[in-house]
Amino acid sequence: KAGVTQTPRYLIKTRGQQVTLSCSPISGHRSVSWYQQTPGQGLQFLFEYFSETQRNKGNFPGRFSGRQFSNSRSEMNVSTLELGDSALYLCASSQLGRRFFGQGTRLTVV
Amino acid sequence: QQQVKQSPQSLIVQKGGIPIINCAYENTAFDYFPWYQQFPGKGPALLIAIRPDVSEKKEGRFTISFNKSAKQFSLHIMDSQPGDSATYFCAASKVGSSNTGKLIFGQGTTLQVKP
Repeated sequence: KAGVTQTPRYLIKTRGQQVTLSCSPISGHRSVSWYQQTPGQGLQFLFEYFSETQRNKGNFPGRFSGRQFSNSRSEMNVSTLELGDSALYLCASSQLGRRFFGQGTRLTVV
Repeated sequence: QQQVKQSPQSLIVQKGGIPIINCAYENTAFDYFPWYQQFPGKGPALLIAIRPDVSEKKEGRFTISFNKSAKQFSLHIMDSQPGDSATYFCAASKVGSSNTGKLIFGQGTTLQVKP
């Protein structure tokens, strides 16, 4: 089976812009979650979707949003980018509680 | 109550040694404890995971020891190799019957295995 695919791998954006990141889960996995990884804060949970419904949400501002489509693919959006949003954004698909991560999207905000 | 504390922050061992990484949690509702390995430029890879109904689990050279009363768990890497040099993260989650739930991660341990 193919693993979790995240696109794009790298992004450079300017403060104030918005960005959309994409995640294709492992075939058959219906749950997708997103995490932000930074050197200072480590790995932090953003949100989790199951069958197109948001199940859990982390402590991030409303500028961070996500959605899941009927084919289980997911997108996350960050609006009005700030310098502090620079991070590795990781998507994980899960089955029976076991979560498998993609390689991430490296977002740099300048 | 949501924190997972991981130690040490970094660890250097000789090839063949047994590095041990420790984690402690506070929330007794957590029921799923995975360990992840991450290489530079890659996403975390699931190594091994344990549920609180067992005290130990082995998969290959990796062993989790779990102490429910102390709310602690640890990762042991037997016969460590230079290729094991990576950052290791423990995590905890309240999965329950829904098999969903956010992972709370420890801060990570950078392991270096010297040849």
